[in-house]
Amino acid sequence: DAKTTQPNSMESNEEEPVHLPCNHSTISGTDYIHWYRQLPSQGPEYVIHGLTSNVNNRMASLAIAEDRKSSTLILHRATLRDAAVYYCILLRAGNNRKLIWGLGTSLAVNP
Amino acid sequence: DSGVTQTPKHLITATGQRVTLRCSPRSGDLSVYWYQQSLDQGLQFLIQYYNGEERAKGNILERFSAQQFPDLHSELNLSSLELGDSALYFCASSVGGDRQLYEQYFGPGTRLTVT
Repeated sequence: DAKTTQPNSMESNEEEPVHLPCNHSTISGTDYIHWYRQLPSQGPEYVIHGLTSNVNNRMASLAIAEDRKSSTLILHRATLRDAAVYYCILLRAGNNRKLIWGLGTSLAVNP
Repeated sequence: DSGVTQTPKHLITATGQRVTLRCSPRSGDLSVYWYQQSLDQGLQFLIQYYNGEERAKGNILERFSAQQFPDLHSELNLSSLELGDSALYFCASSVGGDRQLYEQYFGPGTRLTVT
């Protein structure tokens, strides 16, 4: 799976929108863009995923660039519970010996 | 609560020993995934099983092995343990076998400490 690049940390205020960027310039046509988040002392939690079109669900929105080389996870109104590490990963079928999620973006939410 | 259970929560053992970690997937999920998370390496995919068969292999060491049983629970066996194997081990499950198509539900993890 191709590599993704995310900022190490971001900060937001409660009830404001948050835009978490992810660059994946070496993405292939069969790679799906997945976002997960990990709250302190918990396992990762699925947020959203997509292939080409923008996606919305109850948790967030995923905006995918037209060339698919970048994407943005949008939290419409941040809450304190959204403080977590957010991981952007690319997944495709088959084996991958080097899939490491990286360290993600640590999001702090100020009250 | 994701519905995925892992036992034990914590495990402390010595170098050279062998341990078995257990995972029960969510009801109805056929795929089980194993991940290792350490401070310096991030979350690393180890292996995936789908309906009892190995489906995808990540960077799993030869000292590690896994299997999925007919009741769909899975075990990860770690042998000849080294200090560097100390980490959080997560199990996840999904309904389908194509990991790019389905969301994965993660368990709470097993913290392994090798002394």
